[in-house]
Amino acid sequence: GQQLNQSPQSMFIQEGEDVSMNCTSSSIFNTWLWYKQDPGEGPVLLIALYKAGELTSNGRLTAQFGITRKDSFLNISASIPSDVGIYFCAGRTGTASKLTFGTGTRLQVTL
Amino acid sequence: KAGVTQTPRYLIKTRGQQVTLSCSPISGHRSVSWYQQTPGQGLQFLFEYFSETQRNKGNFPGRFSGRQFSNSRSEMNVSTLELGDSALYLCASSWGQGYQETQYFGPGTRLLVL
Repeated sequence: GQQLNQSPQSMFIQEGEDVSMNCTSSSIFNTWLWYKQDPGEGPVLLIALYKAGELTSNGRLTAQFGITRKDSFLNISASIPSDVGIYFCAGRTGTASKLTFGTGTRLQVTL
Repeated sequence: KAGVTQTPRYLIKTRGQQVTLSCSPISGHRSVSWYQQTPGQGLQFLFEYFSETQRNKGNFPGRFSGRQFSNSRSEMNVSTLELGDSALYLCASSWGQGYQETQYFGPGTRLLVL
């Protein structure tokens, strides 16, 4: 099945550092979503983007919907230990509930 | 408000058997989607049900099927299990009405096929 290209695959950073990850697709989406998944849990929505060029923040998280509608970026500022987990991007077309997910970025935060 | 619940949380089956997983959406939500998560293929869309009808379908073989009841609860069934069906099966619910709505995921059912 299709997966979106997400990079980096994993990151080891120190507490307090900023983090950037991105997601690219060969297809156009009209919605981009960013999720975080903790071990043993389902993904939890962090940020939703609905318009090309849109920049949206949620606390220390900032995400952007690429102008070509084929990519998206997520930044986490001043990382803390609870940011540890796997981050997924997801794209959606139309009103359909079908999401196409990225390959995931595993984030580890050291003290 | 209770979240999406999935039962059972863990399941062990052997090849050739069949399995039924259950998902109870958030109260009021009418759309339930199912996803398979594996280390190799990541999160893959299986199908979506809305008002007891399958509205969308992913690229999975016919061994994977589902249904939705009038109370919006959904079940998915996998027949003739294969080793490769070992995965975390996630369901997500939403109102199912608009493009800006949020899908809420359950904790998943982890299936191991021996």
